[in-house]
Amino acid sequence: GQNIDQPTEMTATEGAIVQINCTYQTSGFNGLFWYQQHAGEAPTFLSYNVLDGLEEKGRFSSFLSRSKGYSYLLLKELQMKDSASYLCAVRVYNDYKLSFGAGTTVTVRA
Amino acid sequence: GAGVSQTPSNKVTEKGKYVELRCDPISGHTALYWYRQSLGQGPEFLIYFQGTGAADDSGLPNDRFFAVRPEGSVSTLKIQRTERGDSAVYLCASSPGTSGKETQYFGPGTRLLVL
Repeated sequence: GQNIDQPTEMTATEGAIVQINCTYQTSGFNGLFWYQQHAGEAPTFLSYNVLDGLEEKGRFSSFLSRSKGYSYLLLKELQMKDSASYLCAVRVYNDYKLSFGAGTTVTVRA
Repeated sequence: GAGVSQTPSNKVTEKGKYVELRCDPISGHTALYWYRQSLGQGPEFLIYFQGTGAADDSGLPNDRFFAVRPEGSVSTLKIQRTERGDSAVYLCASSPGTSGKETQYFGPGTRLLVL
């Protein structure tokens, strides 16, 4: 399987920026996904990276470096509703399943 | 419906019993996935269907677990002789196809508790 690491917890203040790192070790890398999961709810898709660089979507951005096996999700202008778990997931060639990290719980404080 | 739906939302059963969990994927999605999520962990892959056939069942933990998708739409995950360790949230996801860019859309899950 894939070895995917991300911090367990992060805390930030409303209006601030938080960066969630994800490192992975895999062969045949074919894409990295970020999902948001509120407690008791389904994971919802945030972003997809397969090439190196930064993908920006409103307040959320995701970065990928394939050579370093590294990605981050950047959350800007934090809002209370951003308090959730953020899951990093990797896919490899000729395989359709996602391999998930354990998730990073982000708590936004007023 | 607009999204993936799963029933029941919660299921409490006794050790040794048989349970069935149902997933209705997004209309037109040919690929369907089952994952299991334990508290504080990310989802773990169980099985993947392309159409009616199980293309990859390598994540099923043992032969007590079985899943079907007879008409290529609705899928049922079946667990025989449930054990307390089977307690988890069972998530279903679907995607339009199987190219590398396909995003998987998840349902709300079934919370299974085995007493």
